[in-house]
Amino acid sequence: AQSVTQPDIHITVSEGASLELRCNYSYGATPYLFWYVQSPGQGLQLLLKYFSGDTLVQGIKGFEAEFKRSQSSFNLRKPSVHWSDAAEYFCAVISGGSYIPTFGRGTSLIVHP
Amino acid sequence: GAVVSQHPSWVICKSGTSVKIECRSLDFQATTMFWYRQFPKQSLMLMATSNEGSKATYEQGVEKDKFLINHASLTLSTLTVTSAHPEDSSFYICSAPNRVGSSYEQYFGPGTRLTVT
Repeated sequence: AQSVTQPDIHITVSEGASLELRCNYSYGATPYLFWYVQSPGQGLQLLLKYFSGDTLVQGIKGFEAEFKRSQSSFNLRKPSVHWSDAAEYFCAVISGGSYIPTFGRGTSLIVHP
Repeated sequence: GAVVSQHPSWVICKSGTSVKIECRSLDFQATTMFWYRQFPKQSLMLMATSNEGSKATYEQGVEKDKFLINHASLTLSTLTVTSAHPEDSSFYICSAPNRVGSSYEQYFGPGTRLTVT
């Protein structure tokens, strides 16, 4: 079965530190990959997406993600975290031919001052 | 980018009453929209696919008579929670796909917080 795994339920970092949120997927072909951020009580905002081409994609708010086919991963990174980055982060995948995303369970980012 | 709105953003209703939530695509047409439910600290759970001009497709375990979906136009889908009970209290999010090249990108509404007392 197709699945998206975000192994970390919570991640705690200090403001200014670097961040990496993990996402792994299990699909037969190269899927379309997304990262979303959700602030409390809000909808989802797209941070970045990968469809094809350069495997390192840049997103909004200083985020980037790298698609690694060999590891079936699409990890989200940010070199220096700000307190306003504290939120819930969801990795999502769309397999070829579909437009319904499958979401990971989410990773809650906590930022210490 | 494409924008999806939801109304209301929050609603409190009494047990036994019905509540309607609207989802609108503001600058693109959406023949399909999706309705999700999200419990606290959990991921989004797809409830149903709303299809313009035809019946909605419900995910397994979702009561179609309780969660009525109507997709009357290319820019509007509504979710009506009928005979609401406290266990229906949740965060409801809609999304609409917009074609991007050979794939689709989902645009999400801001969500509706439903509290049933």
